[in-house]
Amino acid sequence: KAGVTQTPRYLIKTRGQQVTLSCSPISGHRSVSWYQQTPGQGLQFLFEYFSETQRNKGNFPGRFSGRQFSNSRSEMNVSTLELGDSALYLCASSLEGPVYYEQYFGPGTRLTVT
Amino acid sequence: KNQVEQSPQSLIILEGKNCTLQCNYTVSPFSNLRWYKQDTGRGPVSLTIMTFSENTKSNGRYTATLDADTKQSSLHITASQLSDSASYICVVYNTDKLIFGTGTRLQVFP
Repeated sequence: KAGVTQTPRYLIKTRGQQVTLSCSPISGHRSVSWYQQTPGQGLQFLFEYFSETQRNKGNFPGRFSGRQFSNSRSEMNVSTLELGDSALYLCASSLEGPVYYEQYFGPGTRLTVT
Repeated sequence: KNQVEQSPQSLIILEGKNCTLQCNYTVSPFSNLRWYKQDTGRGPVSLTIMTFSENTKSNGRYTATLDADTKQSSLHITASQLSDSASYICVVYNTDKLIFGTGTRLQVFP
């Protein structure tokens, strides 16, 4: 079974631009969660999508948004990029949700904002 | 406040030695606790999942313990290998949220 894939793996953007990251979950998984990881803050939960609906949300500004498609693939968008958005963005999929089901992480997208 | 604290922040050991990583949490209500291993530049990989009623769980050379009364967990690595060099993250799940520890960076030297 193929694992979670994320594209692109690396991205360099300029302050003020916007960016879209993509995540393809494991086949059959309906829940996709997104996380931001930085050296100072560690892993922080952004949001979770289940059956095309945002089910849970972390404490991030509205510049961070996402969506999920009918095939469970998910995208995450960050608008008006700031230097502090430089981070590793991880996507994870699970069968029905991360709390009660095993969660599988993708390799991440390394975003650098200059 | 829901919080997960890990210690030590970093650890250096020699290949073949054992080590123990600690995780203290103040999460309520408690659903389960997981230990993840994250290699540099990769996504985390689950090592163990423990519910309230489980005290010990093993995965090869990794053994996790949980004391739900004191809200403490530990991850013991036996006969360390160079490939154990990674960050180890403790994550506590309550009924609708995941609370992450900041991790322990382990380096194993030959």
